[in-house]
Amino acid sequence: EAQVTQNPRYLITVTGKKLTVTCSQNMNHEYMSWYRQDPGLGLRQIYYSMNVEVTDKGDVPEGYKVSRKEKRNFPLILESPSPNQTSLYFCASTKAHEQYFGPGTRLTVT
Amino acid sequence: AQTVTQSQPEMSVQEAETVTLSCTYDTSESNYYLFWYKQPPSRQMILVIRQEAYKQQNATENRFSVNFQKAAKSFSLKISDSQLGDTAMYFCAFRRGNTGKLIFGQGTTLQVKP
Repeated sequence: EAQVTQNPRYLITVTGKKLTVTCSQNMNHEYMSWYRQDPGLGLRQIYYSMNVEVTDKGDVPEGYKVSRKEKRNFPLILESPSPNQTSLYFCASTKAHEQYFGPGTRLTVT
Repeated sequence: AQTVTQSQPEMSVQEAETVTLSCTYDTSESNYYLFWYKQPPSRQMILVIRQEAYKQQNATENRFSVNFQKAAKSFSLKISDSQLGDTAMYFCAFRRGNTGKLIFGQGTTLQVKP
């Protein structure tokens, strides 16, 4: 079954404590991206990757890092989380007309 | 830069009736795609319908259809015979060519009332 998985699904953390949200896809897609969803703003792209070792900033990259060492994995790293990064995060994998979203990660930073 | 605007934050409709959600976009591109996504309370992002800009015919998927007005840059979603399971947030999204990036509108929360 084609899917994008994210972990954890829920996370409550404190300001400044480094965290990583993992993302994995089993479709051999080259293009992967991270979005955050905030009320009244829709989803906004944080970072994207067009292939292994190729990443670039999206519209709201501040405070985030990513890596793409393997084609299937695209982790999102918050090295020093702050309360304004409290949000719902989606990983997505794309090929041609199809865009597959992960189930979302609800992050709360206190 | 492309933008997508959904001007209706909330809408409601009676079960079995028809409702139309509005979306406008701004782009200078000629090759692009437009999408409607449904996000139920589970938060899962579900593709409802897709429209290629080069196609004049409006896309249809069962009870869901779009009114694509390219010159006006308008892309509305019509839901016929509304069902309780249609209750969700709906997002309009734009994608330029074959890039992977989606640009989303703000979302419209639709409630279907029994």
